[in-house]
Amino acid sequence: DIQMTQSPSSLSASIGDRVTITCRASQNIRNYLNWYHQKPGKAPQLLIYAASSLQSGVPSRFSGSGSGTDFTLTISGLQPEDFATYYCQQSYTPFITFGPGTRLEIK
Amino acid sequence: EVQLVESGGGLVQPGGSLRLSCAAFEFTFKTYDMGWVRLAPGKGLEWVSHITTSGRDTFHADSVKGRFTISRDNSKNSLFLQMNSLRDEDTAVYYCTKARMGSTRDYDYWGQGTLVTVSS
Repeated sequence: DIQMTQSPSSLSASIGDRVTITCRASQNIRNYLNWYHQKPGKAPQLLIYAASSLQSGVPSRFSGSGSGTDFTLTISGLQPEDFATYYCQQSYTPFITFGPGTRLEIK
Repeated sequence: EVQLVESGGGLVQPGGSLRLSCAAFEFTFKTYDMGWVRLAPGKGLEWVSHITTSGRDTFHADSVKGRFTISRDNSKNSLFLQMNSLRDEDTAVYYCTKARMGSTRDYDYWGQGTLVTVSS
């Protein structure tokens, strides 16, 4: 199975900050990398698919980049509703794996 | 508006069985792959199972292989997860998910989740 890692595991930031979360795959997954966030008690929401494509309805302050094994999610200008846990997910193989998550908290 | 509604969760003893259902609304169910993802207490998201449009191909995580079976009934716009030989570590909220496009494996719609608690 493909293993996914994320860094940092947690992050404190302020409203208006620019933050970056990193995801690394244990092998080349081309651009089959997706990003979600999840708030407590809510279902996860797809933010970015295919490494850099913004899902419909998601604010443009979210952006993704990378290919192969290294990927980043950037949030430019944090808003109160962005404080959540962020997960990357590889969909290169039918045996999908998620990263362990990055908890984004208000400073 | 696309909607996924899970049911069938509850309290079950270790070794027991449960069958989760997911009713799908407002999209052409038979043309999309579907999946199940779970969130255990204090843990991160874990992919459980995925099924292709016709149901011919199914995939399960190693942690549930041989115990869980995903299936679908396209005539009833419904997705299922049969869970046997349940263990404490299967305790989680289980989410029904829809592939963003046909056979992709990124999920653009999720149900509200159904809680499965495995405990004696």
